[in-house]
Amino acid sequence: GENVEQHPSTLSVQEGDSAVIKCTYSDSASNYFPWYKQELGKGPQLIIDIRSNVGEKKDQRIAVTLNKTAKHFSLHITETQPEDSAVYFCAASIRRGNEKLTFGTGTRLTIIP
Amino acid sequence: EPEVTQTPSHQVTQMGQEVILRCVPISNHLYFYWYRQILGQKVEFLVSFYNNEISEKSEIFDDQFSVERPDGSNFTLKIRSTKLEDSAMYFCASDRVMDEQFFGPGTRLTVL
Repeated sequence: GENVEQHPSTLSVQEGDSAVIKCTYSDSASNYFPWYKQELGKGPQLIIDIRSNVGEKKDQRIAVTLNKTAKHFSLHITETQPEDSAVYFCAASIRRGNEKLTFGTGTRLTIIP
Repeated sequence: EPEVTQTPSHQVTQMGQEVILRCVPISNHLYFYWYRQILGQKVEFLVSFYNNEISEKSEIFDDQFSVERPDGSNFTLKIRSTKLEDSAMYFCASDRVMDEQFFGPGTRLTVL
């Protein structure tokens, strides 16, 4: 089955700097890669996703890149703000109508004011 | 904005007891899921449910687990005889076909 690895497990950046979180996946059939943000006491919330027919996607300060050949994808957050502090999970799935998500191990991002 | 809701937020039970975790998915969604997250670990898929039957289940989802959609709005996860290792946060999720998966806030299950 699919296996998703995520690095780093913790990341601290100064407010205003950029943060990068990286994930690799094992199943070449995976074609959908969402990123979720989990704040304390809440469920994961989708912040951005990318499909395998696209190499990069941006939404304001957040971007995701995908390298299908190398089977890795990354989350980039620019101009970080204190409210970006949370745990971030990458995930992978095969988009077919039954979206069983395989999650990475999570990255605890702390923004230092 | 529509959201997935879950009750209770925290459930404490004795080992061997049955628990039922409840979820109300978003009303026009068709696929329903349960995931769990043991403290400090990754979110793990348990089961997906579509058209009143299980679509897929993981190795974790053994005979002690069952799911049901008893009416048009609720989606439940039952654990028949809880074990200590069932202690975790359980998340319900739902989506329309090939769309964003929305997660509920979770139920923290503590088995003593």
